[in-house]
Amino acid sequence: DTAVSQTPKYLVTQMGNDKSIKCEQNLGHDTMYWYKQDSKKFLKIMFSYNNKELIINETVPNRFSPKSPDKAHLNLHINSLELGDSAVYFCASSGRRDRTSYEQYFGPGTRLTVT
Amino acid sequence: QKEVEQNSGPLSVPEGAIASLNCTYSDRGSQSFFWYRQYSGKSPELIMSIYSNGDKEDGRFTAQLNKASQYVSLLIRDSQPSDSATYLCAVSISNFGNEKLTFGTGTRLTIIP
Repeated sequence: DTAVSQTPKYLVTQMGNDKSIKCEQNLGHDTMYWYKQDSKKFLKIMFSYNNKELIINETVPNRFSPKSPDKAHLNLHINSLELGDSAVYFCASSGRRDRTSYEQYFGPGTRLTVT
Repeated sequence: QKEVEQNSGPLSVPEGAIASLNCTYSDRGSQSFFWYRQYSGKSPELIMSIYSNGDKEDGRFTAQLNKASQYVSLLIRDSQPSDSATYLCAVSISNFGNEKLTFGTGTRLTIIP
């Protein structure tokens, strides 16, 4: 049973193209995220949605547009891809484990290579 | 100043010894602290969370938090080769579960058989 899933796992495309990455979680969590991990392995948040509402939008080029059709899905569309967009993109979701703690789980990642 | 700092390593520890990983953070308002393990080519996996000062133990893992010193650590007892991975420290300013995690750059740990 996959908790957070992403498609595709690998994405190779040329500069200037438009591409989408899809994410789904079956944990019943209300909050979902997109993170970017660069070549130096630094993991940085891009967006967060809570119950389909955008709540975090870090300094990300507006070529990146997230969409959440429902609280179990969060997609990422990227326009006019650039070489610098090459990275691993992780989807994550979070929810309360108990009254005092919560946990955030990551999907398997999508390795995007722009040539 | 980086928001969350970790020694990048690599940290090499003999099998069976204790591995000690350290993390400091800059925001005094931080309330939630996490350790993730990431194997090469895989996604981060949550291994420990800690919210209050002191120690929290889970199996071979112990997380330690000192908010006054803005310091959080992870001890791995009886280190195994399967513990070889990059360990990411993550910090959040809230404890509601819907705010961002700020990650350190990770410490690469190698357990030497």
